[in-house]
Amino acid sequence: EAQVTQNPRYLITVTGKKLTVTCSQNMNHEYMSWYRQDPGLGLRQIYYSMNVEVTDKGDVPEGYKVSRKEKRNFPLILESPSPNQTSLYFCASSPQGGGLGYTFGSGTRLTVV
Amino acid sequence: QKEVEQNSGPLSVPEGAIASLNCTYSDRVSQSFFWYRQYSGKSPELIMSIYSNGDKEDGRFTAQLNKASQYVSLLIRDSQPSDSATYLCAVIRGSQGNLIFGKGTKLSVKP
Repeated sequence: EAQVTQNPRYLITVTGKKLTVTCSQNMNHEYMSWYRQDPGLGLRQIYYSMNVEVTDKGDVPEGYKVSRKEKRNFPLILESPSPNQTSLYFCASSPQGGGLGYTFGSGTRLTVV
Repeated sequence: QKEVEQNSGPLSVPEGAIASLNCTYSDRVSQSFFWYRQYSGKSPELIMSIYSNGDKEDGRFTAQLNKASQYVSLLIRDSQPSDSATYLCAVIRGSQGNLIFGKGTKLSVKP
């Protein structure tokens, strides 16, 4: 089944404890992206990647890191999480330039206390 | 002006009616436009894409695009309670394929 898989689905952590949210797609898509969704603010792009080893900042990149060492994986790293990073996170992928739309993962609900 | 704007709603329509959802965008060079549906606590699901001026129909859904007015709309005919969700308008920004979303319109279809 073609899908974008995120893990974990739920995570509660403490301020400052490094964490990684994994994202993997099995559709051989070139484009991958991370979004966060907050009430009243909608979906905002954190980082995106156009291909292996090619990443760039989205609209809200502060406090996040990403890497794209393999085409299928695009992990999101929070080096020192803070409470304002409590959010619902989505990974998404697209076969080309986003022009055919993105497929989303199931989401990761992160709480930082 | 925000890149992609939508009325937040909620929009309430009776079952069987036509729901009309609207979206405006600021980047005149945008070429690709999408409507996503998102149920509460779930991930966005692509329901329509449109690339050229005019109407595009898919079942009960019709997307309309007017590039001169920088306006995209989604019509849902014969609305059902199962259509109750938040509808997100999205636009590709620039040449790098960034998908930028509006804040969404919450639709409620009353039986």
